[in-house]
Amino acid sequence: GQQVMQIPQYQHVQEGEDFTTYCNSSTTLSNIQWYKQRPGGHPVFLIQLVKSGEVKKQKRLTFQFGEAKKNSSLHITATQTTDVGTYFCAGSGAGSYQLTFGKGTKLSVIP
Amino acid sequence: DTAVSQTPKYLVTQMGNDKSIKCEQNLGHDTMYWYKQDSKKFLKIMFSYNNKELIINETVPNRFSPKSPDKAHLNLHINSLELGDSAVYFCASSRKTSGVSSYNEQFFGPGTRLTVL
Repeated sequence: GQQVMQIPQYQHVQEGEDFTTYCNSSTTLSNIQWYKQRPGGHPVFLIQLVKSGEVKKQKRLTFQFGEAKKNSSLHITATQTTDVGTYFCAGSGAGSYQLTFGKGTKLSVIP
Repeated sequence: DTAVSQTPKYLVTQMGNDKSIKCEQNLGHDTMYWYKQDSKKFLKIMFSYNNKELIINETVPNRFSPKSPDKAHLNLHINSLELGDSAVYFCASSRKTSGVSSYNEQFFGPGTRLTVL
């Protein structure tokens, strides 16, 4: 079955430093989505990438989808304490709306 | 207005009991899901219903039985609860789409923290 690997599992950064989490799929994906889960909260949708090589930005967040549509990354520039949480990537295969979630990267930001 | 709601928020029960978790969405979505998030925060799909029809049934013990009375509701009944069932259970919904180019975000409920003693 489809597997989605995400690294690192944990990341501690000083406020103002950059942060990147990486996602790799065992199979080609039709799309990839990113979610953020604050401590004690529920996953909240951030963005969806569909096209090969696509890059999208949301303020300090940059999302990329690989050319082969098997990997993706989320980069946060100049982290803030509000960025704290677990970031999940989730991919689905062709013709399916079942999402397979990565194990998430837990981001801690030290003020 | 809450988009996806779950009740109860917390559920503490003894091993062997039977319990239910309810989920409702007011987004007009056709597809609903149940996920289990364990203590390590791994999110795993359990079930998915589309227009009251079961479409995803991952390897889940048959003690877990989803029920969808209508497309706005997806309840989860668990029989003979075990210690390993302790987790946070999330309900989610998404809009069903047609065509391979349309994919949809999932809206998650607040979660139900189940503790089996």
